[in-house]
Amino acid sequence: SQELEQSPQSLIVQEGKNLTINCTSSKTLYGLYWYKQKYGEGLIFLMMLQKGGEEKSHEKITAKLDEKKQQSSLHITASQPSHAGIYLCGADASGNTGKLIFGQGTTLQVKP
Amino acid sequence: ETGVTQTPRHLVMGMTNKKSLKCEQHLGHNAMYWYKQSAKKPLELMFVYNFKEQTENNSVPSRFSPECPNSSHLFLHLHTLQPEDSALYLCASSQDHWRDYQETQYFGPGTRLLVL
Repeated sequence: SQELEQSPQSLIVQEGKNLTINCTSSKTLYGLYWYKQKYGEGLIFLMMLQKGGEEKSHEKITAKLDEKKQQSSLHITASQPSHAGIYLCGADASGNTGKLIFGQGTTLQVKP
Repeated sequence: ETGVTQTPRHLVMGMTNKKSLKCEQHLGHNAMYWYKQSAKKPLELMFVYNFKEQTENNSVPSRFSPECPNSSHLFLHLHTLQPEDSALYLCASSQDHWRDYQETQYFGPGTRLLVL
C-alpha cells in the first residue's frame, strides 16, 4: 500500500527564516495536497499539485511536485509566528478515488 | 454558516453509551468523508459517501455506524466504543470523486472524542 513520509517530523525556526518540509511517496502520486492544521482543529487547505514539475505559490508558501511525481516540498519564505502549526501532505491512494492517505505531519514552531 | 461544520466539538462518553457526531457542509458538495486522527498516527480515512451512497468503508469496526441522509449532512453513530477509539474525528467534503481529475477535500473543525 502507498505511504507518505514527511520530513522533518518537527521544526523550530527563528522568525524571518526560510524553511522546507518534504513529502515522499512510495508510489507515483496522482495528486498531492498540502494542508495546515492548528493543534486539535480541522485541516486548512493550502494547495494541490497534480502535474509533474508543477509549482504553486500562495503568499509566502510555495509547493512543488517533482517530475517523477513521487516527492513534494513545501517552502516557507521569511517565516512568521502565524505559520506555526502542523503541515500535512495528503495524496489520493489510487487515482481520483477520493480516498486520501496522509503523512504523519510536520510540526512547525516559529520563535519570535 | 459557511464551509464544513461539526457538532459537538468535544464529547466524553462511557463505553456503554450511544452518541452521534454530526457534520454539515454548506458548499454544495456531493461527497462527504469521515476521518480519524489519533495521537501519533497519520490521519485515517474511515468512510466515503458520494451522492448519499457509501462508496468506501475502510475496514471500520461496526461500533461506528455512518449515516448520510442527504448530500449536506453526515452522521457518525457511536455505540459501545473502546478507550482506544478516543481521537479527533474529522469530516470533509468535496464536489464528488467520480471525475477524471482531483477534487479538493475541505475539512471541518473536528470532534474531540474521549471514551472512558
